[in-house]
Amino acid sequence: DTGVSQDPRHKITKRGQNVTFRCDPISEHNRLYWYRQTLGQGPEFLTYFQNEAQLEKSRLLSDRFSAERPKGSFSTLEIQRTEQGDSAMYLCASSFNSRPQHFGDGTRLSIL
Amino acid sequence: AQTVTQSQPEMSVQEAETVTLSCTYDTSESDYYLFWYKQPPSRQMILVIRQEAYKQQNATENRFSVNFQKAAKSFSLKISDSQLGDAAMYFCAYRALQAGNEKLTFGTGTRLTIIP
Repeated sequence: DTGVSQDPRHKITKRGQNVTFRCDPISEHNRLYWYRQTLGQGPEFLTYFQNEAQLEKSRLLSDRFSAERPKGSFSTLEIQRTEQGDSAMYLCASSFNSRPQHFGDGTRLSIL
Repeated sequence: AQTVTQSQPEMSVQEAETVTLSCTYDTSESDYYLFWYKQPPSRQMILVIRQEAYKQQNATENRFSVNFQKAAKSFSLKISDSQLGDAAMYFCAYRALQAGNEKLTFGTGTRLTIIP
Protein backbone atom coordinates (compact mmCIF):
# COMPACT_ATOMS: atom_id res chain seq x y z
CA ASP A 1 0.00 0.00 0.00
CA THR A 2 1.85 3.06 -1.28
CA GLY A 3 -0.92 5.51 -0.45
CA VAL A 4 -2.65 8.05 -2.65
CA SER A 5 -0.18 9.87 -4.87
CA GLN A 6 -0.74 13.32 -6.37
CA ASP A 7 1.33 15.13 -8.94
CA PRO A 8 2.56 17.80 -9.00
CA ARG A 9 2.89 18.88 -5.36
CA HIS A 10 2.95 22.53 -6.35
CA LYS A 11 1.85 24.34 -9.49
CA ILE A 12 2.36 28.02 -10.20
CA THR A 13 0.73 29.40 -13.30
CA LYS A 14 -0.44 32.63 -14.82
CA ARG A 15 -4.07 33.59 -14.89
CA GLY A 16 -5.77 32.29 -18.00
CA GLN A 17 -3.57 29.23 -18.42
CA ASN A 18 -4.81 25.65 -18.28
CA VAL A 19 -3.54 23.25 -15.64
CA THR A 20 -3.91 19.51 -15.13
CA PHE A 21 -3.37 17.52 -11.95
CA ARG A 22 -3.01 13.78 -11.61
CA CYS A 23 -4.07 11.45 -8.81
CA ASP A 24 -3.08 7.81 -8.42
CA PRO A 25 -5.31 6.09 -5.85
CA ILE A 26 -4.47 3.14 -3.67
CA SER A 27 -4.39 0.23 -6.09
CA GLU A 28 -7.40 -1.77 -4.92
CA HIS A 29 -9.62 1.28 -4.34
CA ASN A 30 -12.54 1.61 -6.74
CA ARG A 31 -13.69 5.06 -5.61
CA LEU A 32 -11.81 8.29 -6.17
CA TYR A 33 -12.70 11.75 -4.89
CA TRP A 34 -11.53 15.30 -5.55
CA TYR A 35 -11.77 18.06 -2.95
CA ARG A 36 -10.63 21.68 -2.88
CA GLN A 37 -9.27 23.31 0.26
CA THR A 38 -8.71 27.05 0.58
CA LEU A 39 -6.73 28.69 3.35
CA GLY A 40 -8.40 28.41 6.72
CA GLN A 41 -11.20 26.20 5.46
CA GLY A 42 -12.02 22.54 5.44
CA PRO A 43 -11.94 20.60 2.19
CA GLU A 44 -14.95 21.01 -0.10
CA PHE A 45 -16.18 18.19 -2.27
CA LEU A 46 -15.79 18.60 -6.03
CA THR A 47 -16.53 15.24 -7.65
CA TYR A 48 -16.18 11.50 -7.29
CA PHE A 49 -15.80 8.39 -9.42
CA GLN A 50 -16.69 4.80 -8.97
CA ASN A 51 -14.34 2.98 -11.29
CA GLU A 52 -14.46 5.05 -14.50
CA ALA A 53 -17.95 6.49 -13.94
CA GLN A 54 -18.24 10.04 -12.59
CA LEU A 55 -21.17 9.72 -10.21
CA GLU A 56 -21.48 13.13 -8.59
CA LYS A 57 -20.32 16.67 -9.34
CA SER A 58 -20.55 19.60 -6.98
CA ARG A 59 -21.95 22.91 -8.15
CA LEU A 60 -18.47 24.21 -7.27
CA LEU A 61 -17.23 22.39 -10.35
CA SER A 62 -17.82 25.07 -12.97
CA ASP A 63 -17.63 24.37 -16.68
CA ARG A 64 -13.94 25.32 -16.58
CA PHE A 65 -13.28 22.21 -14.51
CA SER A 66 -13.25 18.70 -15.88
CA ALA A 67 -12.25 15.43 -14.27
CA GLU A 68 -11.66 12.04 -15.82
CA ARG A 69 -10.80 8.56 -14.72
CA PRO A 70 -10.56 6.81 -18.08
CA LYS A 71 -9.54 3.31 -17.03
CA GLY A 72 -10.81 3.31 -13.51
CA SER A 73 -7.32 3.77 -12.12
CA PHE A 74 -5.65 7.21 -12.06
CA SER A 75 -7.64 10.41 -12.44
CA THR A 76 -6.92 13.84 -13.86
CA LEU A 77 -8.46 17.17 -12.90
CA GLU A 78 -8.12 19.94 -15.47
CA ILE A 79 -8.85 23.61 -14.92
CA GLN A 80 -9.15 25.73 -18.04
CA ARG A 81 -8.64 29.50 -18.17
CA THR A 82 -7.52 29.67 -14.54
CA GLU A 83 -8.69 32.53 -12.35
CA GLN A 84 -7.31 33.99 -9.12
CA GLY A 85 -10.07 32.29 -7.17
CA ASP A 86 -8.83 28.90 -8.29
CA SER A 87 -5.82 29.21 -6.00
CA ALA A 88 -6.22 26.41 -3.47
CA MET A 89 -5.02 23.00 -2.40
CA TYR A 90 -6.59 20.26 -4.53
CA LEU A 91 -6.91 17.03 -2.59
CA CYS A 92 -7.52 13.57 -3.96
CA ALA A 93 -8.84 10.70 -1.86
CA SER A 94 -9.69 7.08 -2.58
CA SER A 95 -11.62 4.33 -0.90
CA PHE A 96 -12.77 0.77 -1.41
CA ASN A 97 -16.54 1.02 -1.64
CA SER A 98 -17.88 2.81 1.44
CA ARG A 99 -14.83 2.34 3.60
CA PRO A 100 -13.07 5.46 4.92
CA GLN A 101 -11.36 7.72 2.42
CA HIS A 102 -7.57 7.97 2.32
CA PHE A 103 -6.12 11.28 1.21
CA GLY A 104 -3.08 12.24 -0.81
CA ASP A 105 -0.70 15.10 -0.03
CA GLY A 106 -2.55 17.43 -2.38
CA THR A 107 -1.53 19.75 -5.21
CA ARG A 108 -1.14 23.38 -4.22
CA LEU A 109 -2.16 25.68 -7.07
CA SER A 110 -1.03 29.30 -7.11
CA ILE A 111 -2.33 31.70 -9.75
CA LEU A 112 -0.14 34.70 -10.51
CA ALA B 1 -28.01 20.09 3.12
CA GLN B 2 -25.73 18.82 5.80
CA THR B 3 -23.49 21.25 7.65
CA VAL B 4 -20.64 20.72 10.09
CA THR B 5 -19.58 23.40 12.57
CA GLN B 6 -16.36 23.60 14.54
CA SER B 7 -16.59 26.62 16.81
CA GLN B 8 -13.02 26.51 18.12
CA PRO B 9 -10.59 27.85 15.50
CA GLU B 10 -7.64 27.23 17.84
CA MET B 11 -6.96 25.19 20.95
CA SER B 12 -3.85 24.58 22.99
CA VAL B 13 -3.00 21.99 25.60
CA GLN B 14 -0.07 21.17 27.79
CA GLU B 15 1.82 18.05 26.83
CA ALA B 16 0.44 14.96 28.63
CA GLU B 17 -2.84 16.71 29.42
CA THR B 18 -6.29 16.05 27.95
CA VAL B 19 -8.07 18.25 25.43
CA THR B 20 -11.53 18.12 23.88
CA LEU B 21 -12.36 19.46 20.43
CA SER B 22 -15.98 20.31 19.68
CA CYS B 23 -18.08 19.61 16.61
CA THR B 24 -21.76 19.99 15.88
CA TYR B 25 -23.58 19.05 12.71
CA ASP B 26 -26.95 19.37 11.12
CA THR B 27 -28.70 16.66 9.15
CA SER B 28 -32.17 15.31 8.59
CA GLU B 29 -30.85 11.78 8.15
CA SER B 30 -31.08 9.19 10.90
CA ASP B 31 -28.11 7.10 9.82
CA TYR B 32 -24.74 8.49 8.84
CA TYR B 33 -21.03 8.42 9.61
CA LEU B 34 -18.96 10.96 11.50
CA PHE B 35 -15.19 11.28 11.31
CA TRP B 36 -12.30 13.15 12.80
CA TYR B 37 -9.38 13.75 10.46
CA LYS B 38 -5.97 15.16 11.40
CA GLN B 39 -3.94 17.32 9.00
CA PRO B 40 -0.37 18.03 10.21
CA PRO B 41 1.37 21.04 8.63
CA SER B 42 2.19 20.35 4.98
CA ARG B 43 1.20 16.73 5.35
CA GLN B 44 -1.70 14.63 4.27
CA MET B 45 -5.05 14.27 5.97
CA ILE B 46 -5.17 11.19 8.20
CA LEU B 47 -8.25 9.49 9.61
CA VAL B 48 -8.21 9.59 13.41
CA ILE B 49 -11.51 7.99 14.34
CA ARG B 50 -14.95 7.27 12.96
CA GLN B 51 -18.39 6.76 14.45
CA GLU B 52 -21.45 5.13 12.93
CA ALA B 53 -24.57 6.98 14.04
CA TYR B 54 -26.52 3.75 14.56
CA LYS B 55 -24.01 2.63 17.20
CA GLN B 56 -24.66 3.91 20.70
CA GLN B 57 -21.19 3.09 21.94
CA ASN B 58 -18.66 5.86 21.56
CA ALA B 59 -15.69 4.99 19.34
CA THR B 60 -12.19 4.86 20.82
CA GLU B 61 -8.77 4.52 19.21
CA ASN B 62 -5.96 4.38 21.74
CA ARG B 63 -5.63 7.92 23.18
CA PHE B 64 -8.48 9.24 21.01
CA SER B 65 -12.13 8.91 21.93
CA VAL B 66 -15.36 10.60 20.95
CA ASN B 67 -18.44 11.77 22.80
CA PHE B 68 -21.28 11.23 20.36
CA GLN B 69 -24.58 12.83 21.36
CA LYS B 70 -26.99 12.01 18.55
CA ALA B 71 -29.96 13.97 19.87
CA ALA B 72 -27.84 17.05 20.36
CA LYS B 73 -26.02 16.45 17.04
CA SER B 74 -22.72 16.80 18.80
CA PHE B 75 -19.52 14.87 18.14
CA SER B 76 -16.52 15.91 20.23
CA LEU B 77 -13.02 14.44 20.13
CA LYS B 78 -11.05 13.84 23.32
CA ILE B 79 -7.30 13.44 23.12
CA SER B 80 -5.75 12.01 26.26
CA ASP B 81 -2.08 12.21 27.23
CA SER B 82 -1.41 14.80 24.51
CA GLN B 83 1.84 14.40 22.63
CA LEU B 84 3.86 16.83 20.52
CA GLY B 85 2.98 14.81 17.45
CA ASP B 86 -0.70 15.56 17.99
CA ALA B 87 -0.16 19.15 16.87
CA ALA B 88 -2.21 19.60 13.69
CA MET B 89 -5.45 20.88 12.19
CA TYR B 90 -8.34 18.65 13.18
CA PHE B 91 -11.37 18.40 10.94
CA CYS B 92 -14.73 16.96 11.82
CA ALA B 93 -16.55 15.42 8.85
CA TYR B 94 -19.96 13.98 8.04
CA ARG B 95 -20.91 11.38 5.47
CA ALA B 96 -24.35 10.06 4.64
CA LEU B 97 -24.90 6.33 5.02
CA GLN B 98 -26.72 5.57 1.82
CA ALA B 99 -24.80 4.27 -1.15
CA GLY B 100 -24.17 6.85 -3.83
CA ASN B 101 -23.86 9.73 -1.39
CA GLU B 102 -20.22 9.32 -0.61
CA LYS B 103 -18.94 12.85 -0.22
CA LEU B 104 -17.49 14.07 3.03
CA THR B 105 -18.72 17.40 4.42
CA PHE B 106 -16.05 19.01 6.57
CA GLY B 107 -16.04 21.66 9.25
CA THR B 108 -13.62 24.57 9.16
CA GLY B 109 -11.14 22.87 11.46
CA THR B 110 -9.50 23.43 14.83
CA ARG B 111 -5.78 24.11 15.04
CA LEU B 112 -4.36 22.23 18.02
CA THR B 113 -1.10 23.39 19.58
CA ILE B 114 0.76 21.24 22.09
CA ILE B 115 2.72 23.16 24.70
CA PRO B 116 5.87 21.31 25.82
